[in-house]
Amino acid sequence: DVKVTQSSRYLVKRTGEKVFLECVQDMDHENMFWYRQDPGLGLRLIYFSYDVKMKEKGDIPEGYSVSREKKERFSLILESASTNQTSMYLCASSGGLAGGLADTQYFGPGTRLTVL
Amino acid sequence: AQSVAQPEDQVNVAEGNPLTVKCTYSVSGNPYLFWYVQYPNRGLQFLLKYITGDNLVKGSYGFEAEFNKSQTSFHLKKPSALVSDSALYFCAVSLHTGGFKTIFGAGTRLFVKA
Repeated sequence: DVKVTQSSRYLVKRTGEKVFLECVQDMDHENMFWYRQDPGLGLRLIYFSYDVKMKEKGDIPEGYSVSREKKERFSLILESASTNQTSMYLCASSGGLAGGLADTQYFGPGTRLTVL
Repeated sequence: AQSVAQPEDQVNVAEGNPLTVKCTYSVSGNPYLFWYVQYPNRGLQFLLKYITGDNLVKGSYGFEAEFNKSQTSFHLKKPSALVSDSALYFCAVSLHTGGFKTIFGAGTRLFVKA
């Protein structure tokens, strides 16, 4: 089974703090993704990466950055956290196969971030 | 604009009855179509997908979905609902030509009553 783990299940930070969310997958997947999940809005893609050191903006990258120094690890960084970044953050990976980036994604358990 | 619509915020069914969770999409090209399920305090789990071939796709836990190209729909179905099916269900499309894009619906909460 694919296993995607996230460093924290719950996180509380203050406005202006720098926040790191870590994600690790154990299936040697090429592709990794960061989403935020908000009620009524579904999942929105923040950033994705299709290879080590490669990153692409998703639909809502403002206020976020990412880092992928190793194939198994994809980090999401909030440079200066704001209250409107309070959300559930989900990491996912996919193995590429014939579908490439578009194939099945495997999700971590999520990090519920609260910014006060 | 490209979009995925799940027209029902919530679906209520009695245990043992058939269930349908609706999904329609508006995208260009030939997308890959997915259903994912989310149980409380968990990440999303893959249920099934349509890439090509037979329009009826079978997935995990007895779920199936029917791809209808003319109606651009991909409704999730199960012949006999279980209480344990109660969860949040997401429809998603992924575009794989002309650049990558993935779009999720807003989600439909399914309640199965004993």
